[in-house]
Amino acid sequence: DGGITQSPKYLFRKEGQNVTLSCEQNLNHDAMYWYRQDPGQGLRLIYYSQIVNDFQKGDIAEGYSVSREKKESFPLTVTSAQKNPTAFYLCASSIRGGNSPLHFGNGTRLTVT
Amino acid sequence: DQQVKQNSPSLSVQEGRISILNCDYTNSMFDYFLWYKKYPAEGPTFLISISSIKDKNEDGRFTVFLNKSAKHLSLHIVPSQPGDSAVYFCAASLISSGSARQLTFGSGTQLTVLP
Repeated sequence: DGGITQSPKYLFRKEGQNVTLSCEQNLNHDAMYWYRQDPGQGLRLIYYSQIVNDFQKGDIAEGYSVSREKKESFPLTVTSAQKNPTAFYLCASSIRGGNSPLHFGNGTRLTVT
Repeated sequence: DQQVKQNSPSLSVQEGRISILNCDYTNSMFDYFLWYKKYPAEGPTFLISISSIKDKNEDGRFTVFLNKSAKHLSLHIVPSQPGDSAVYFCAASLISSGSARQLTFGSGTQLTVLP
C-alpha cells in the first residue's frame, strides 16, 4: 500500500534538545511538505521541497531545519531555537504542479518539557 | 492576518440531515480550493476540491459550492452520518505551475453528527 509514514507517533523531549521527526513516502511524489497544527488553529506550513536537494521555507520556518537527500524522505529537525515546539506535526506529499491534493501522514505529536 | 477563515469552530447536526460547513477567504488570487477531513491523532484526508472556474463540484454525499464574488465556499454533506463526525478544514491555493502546491488552511470546524 502506498502512503506516508511518520514516526514516531508520540515524542517527548527536554527543552534545549534538538529532535528529528521522520517522514517517508512511497507514493513516488516529487513534492513534500511539513505542517504544524496547534489547538484551534489551521495547519501552518513550515518547509516544503519540490525536488531532491531543494527545499524552501514556509510561513513559520524559524527554529526548524530540513533535508531532502532522497525522494522518499523529508526529515524535520526541531531545534532548541524553536520557542514553542510542542505541537502536532504533519508531513505531506503531492505530485509536483497542477491541481493535485496533498496526501498527509498520520502525524507526530511532539511534547517538549 | 488569516487569509482563510472558518468562523464556526463547531457544528452539530442530526443524523440524516444536511451539514453545511462554511469557509471565507480574502485573497482573490486563490483559484483552487479543497476540503479535508481529520480524525483525532490522524492526518487530514482529502475530501473534495473545486477550481475557481467552477461554482459547484459534487462527489456522492459531498458537494462543494464556490461563490467567487463573495469569496465564500461551503461544503454540503447530505445525508449526514455519524461517521462524518470529524474536524473539517478548508484550504486554498494559488496556481503555481511546475512548483509545489502551497495550501493555506482555515482553523477547522468540528462536525458532530448525532444519532
